[in-house]
Amino acid sequence: EIVLTQSPGTLSLSPGERATLFCRASESVSSDYLAWYQQKIGQAPRLLIYSASRRATGIPARFSGSGSETDFTLTISRLEPEDFAVYYCQQYGRSFGQGTKVEIK
Amino acid sequence: QVQLQESGPGLVKPSQTLSLTCSVSGDSISSGASYWSWIRQAAGKGLEWIGRIYTTGYTNYNPSLKTRVSISLDTSKNHFSLNLASVTAADTAVYYCASGPSSGTLDVWGQGTLVTVSS
Repeated sequence: EIVLTQSPGTLSLSPGERATLFCRASESVSSDYLAWYQQKIGQAPRLLIYSASRRATGIPARFSGSGSETDFTLTISRLEPEDFAVYYCQQYGRSFGQGTKVEIK
Repeated sequence: QVQLQESGPGLVKPSQTLSLTCSVSGDSISSGASYWSWIRQAAGKGLEWIGRIYTTGYTNYNPSLKTRVSISLDTSKNHFSLNLASVTAADTAVYYCASGPSSGTLDVWGQGTLVTVSS
């Protein structure tokens, strides 16, 4: 079974800064089947990115995804106050990464 | 606009079977090509994918839960269900249902329901 490992565990940043989150797979994953989700406290997760780099409907352009095979990245170009949350990567129909918390510095 | 709503007992005794239902509105679970999924989250922990069922009835499950889990469709009631057998305190979590297209993304989520396993 492929394991997804996210890093860092916590990212402490200020609004306006750039956030870079990583998701590493234990084996090669098709980029067609890699997604990122955002979860705010007390809420259900929300799909942000699918197929590694495609933004879901309604997701702002400051969110971007990239990567292939075993290394994937989620970038938030300039953090807005509403972006402080936990982010998870997932291979479709498989387990999630353990999450990266983006917190206010 | 698809909407999902989980329902079921909030308290289950150890060794019993946890049963939850996800009611679907705005779409028919028997039409189109969709996956209907269950995910859970223990307090303060990350997301754990439980499994999913396709419109055709095909299922796949998390290997770590495979021996205890079953997901089914009820087209007459337009809902899908989760059964998790032989529960322990480790199964205490918020359980989410979710849906998405045949590609496999989880586009729409329910609000989640807390299930506590305790005697």
